[in-house]
Amino acid sequence: NAGVTQTPKFQVLKTGQSMTLQCAQDMNHNSMYWYRQDPGMGLRLIYYSASEGTTDKGEVPNGYNVSRLNKREFSLRLESAAPSQTSVYFCAIQPQTGWGNQPQHFGDGTRLSIL
Amino acid sequence: QKEVEQNSGPLSVPEGAIASLNCTYSDRGSQSFFWYRQYSGKSPELIMSIYSNGDKEDGRFTAQLNKASQYVSLLIRDSQPSDSATYLCAVNSNSNYQLIWGAGTKLIIKP
Repeated sequence: NAGVTQTPKFQVLKTGQSMTLQCAQDMNHNSMYWYRQDPGMGLRLIYYSASEGTTDKGEVPNGYNVSRLNKREFSLRLESAAPSQTSVYFCAIQPQTGWGNQPQHFGDGTRLSIL
Repeated sequence: QKEVEQNSGPLSVPEGAIASLNCTYSDRGSQSFFWYRQYSGKSPELIMSIYSNGDKEDGRFTAQLNKASQYVSLLIRDSQPSDSATYLCAVNSNSNYQLIWGAGTKLIIKP
């Protein structure tokens, strides 16, 4: 999707391995989000960054860490991957114009399998 | 616990008919409402935003908002097989930068 680039697109890990999912945007938006999507569960917020230099926990932060490296980049790290973290991970961006009153726009996602 | 509820479906609609998708939300302070379309294996794509009570039309899509009853709906006129997808409803949280997401309704348009 134009504006939000996620890497990698697919990844298979073994239990206990670590990895970092990358998200970069070229829209100059302030707010960035990491979601996971499991079948029948909808989107669940892991972490978000309202602006450069700030990060906050979402609904399901356990097992993850994030870094807002600069305004463009927001990474998600799994320190010790577990099978329960098998999911599709989406990064989203949003212009910061108030309390969430603008839509979010998504990257293409990373499909992660933990064996 | 702020919630957004959608019927999971699948909702099956004949081609050319009107598809009606509904969403209810629990946070009375919500002010922004969004409909996203998600094709299988793809990411969510914004199709409609609505902020005021009433109807908002965009091509074959109409979003309807009733804040008093706390529901928002999406109508798709002249449904096409390409409209077959999962439709996600999202509502802003009045207290932070988050959107609250429904689990989605799977729509199937039968030729």
